Amino acid sequence: SQQGEEDPQALSIQEGENATMNCSYKTSINNLQWYRQNSGRGLVHLILIRSNEREKHSGRLRVTLDTSKKSSSLLITASRAADTASYFCATRTSGGSYIPTFGRGTSLIVHP
Amino acid sequence: EAGVTQFPSHSVIEKGQTVTLRCDPISGHDNLYWYRRVMGKEIKFLLHFVKESKQDESGMPNNRFLAERTGGTYSTLKVQPAELEDSGVYFCASSQFTTGELFFGEGSRLTVL
Repeated sequence: SQQGEEDPQALSIQEGENATMNCSYKTSINNLQWYRQNSGRGLVHLILIRSNEREKHSGRLRVTLDTSKKSSSLLITASRAADTASYFCATRTSGGSYIPTFGRGTSLIVHP
Repeated sequence: EAGVTQFPSHSVIEKGQTVTLRCDPISGHDNLYWYRRVMGKEIKFLLHFVKESKQDESGMPNNRFLAERTGGTYSTLKVQPAELEDSGVYFCASSQFTTGELFFGEGSRLTVL
């Protein structure tokens, strides 16, 4: 069954603005990962946050994790046209087979 | 270091035909995954290899799909006979550690007419 679910499904912003997308999941996790997919390409790993972490930063990316609410958010600051892509969260459940499960993704369009 | 490579990048076949997709993972990555994305839907897990062993194939749709991983290196996913609903993009990913990040190939787009 689908574990991670991204929200919103689509997001359209202007260059320079911040973009926030959310991920909700259902069961306990070992870690949560965010990926980006440019049109027609493979997914690229952005950041991994472990279940005992609450926040991580990588460049213009900031990820938060709230295990009590079973949710995570990805913030992209000062967005650029090159950030236009689909973004997916993937969760690895704990105590199981650790299979990363993905949602439908958030389609982000950044207008120059 | 070479990334994950998939072949073919695009395949168009008639219903009832057979297609074999190939994935070459990153060298040294014991974990290999197959996923499929149908337009507008989630990226759905198909199966997971650890070396040459199928660790989890719970996502395989039916027995028309057969995956192998010869000698724990490259993997193939055969669809026989193909049906219309098999159309989609098939992604392969590999990882060094069971809980680590995945490295994806560019995907193989399958169109069944």
